[in-house]
Amino acid sequence: DTGVSQNPRHKITKRGQNVTFRCDPISEHNRLYWYRQTLGQGPEFLTYFQNEAQLEKSRLLSDRFSAERPKGSFSTLEIQRTEQGDSAMYLCASSLGQGANTEAFFGQGTRLTVV
Amino acid sequence: GENVEQHPSTLSVQEGDSAVIKCTYSDSASNYFPWYKQELGKRPQLIIDIRSNVGEKKDQRIAVTLNKTAKHFSLHITETQPEDSAVYFCAAPNAGGTSYGKLTFGQGTILTVHP
Repeated sequence: DTGVSQNPRHKITKRGQNVTFRCDPISEHNRLYWYRQTLGQGPEFLTYFQNEAQLEKSRLLSDRFSAERPKGSFSTLEIQRTEQGDSAMYLCASSLGQGANTEAFFGQGTRLTVV
Repeated sequence: GENVEQHPSTLSVQEGDSAVIKCTYSDSASNYFPWYKQELGKRPQLIIDIRSNVGEKKDQRIAVTLNKTAKHFSLHITETQPEDSAVYFCAAPNAGGTSYGKLTFGQGTILTVHP
């Protein structure tokens, strides 16, 4: 499968624990995005990487959230001290290009449940 | 930033009828407008997109129209089939700054096609 890959697919954690998700974008895609989706809503932007540089973070992303893309390939999203409100689907997407009109391809997502 | 409004939130049609979903956007610099289909528990999948240099694009039973003056674009599905039942999202990118390619999504339309 040469699409965007995310792991794990599901994660159940206790409140207060730390979790880390991984995203492997389509090979050679220079852009990588993290989105969060709650039931009945469209995906909401969290953060964006161009190669290894994190160029934007949403106001939705509190200090408990951190993302990295150390070599410009895969990315990780870590949530520290999880809260019940963090329960959501976390989607990763990647695209290739320099302009605004480039197709973004989504991964299957990681569904996080905080109990 | 970009603001995207999508209507209706739910749409119910009989098999064989047409379905139309409309979106408006705020950033006049946006020049790329994708539509995503998301089935329950699955990733958003790009079904069609349009760039601002054209007013309409068709792909078999689906079409997208764009009115840049009015800043709205629409998805048209003809001869609907039960397998078209899903949530449909429109999106528009941030066209400037460091957010190139970041998508802002509409709220989604739940389409139900009754056999």
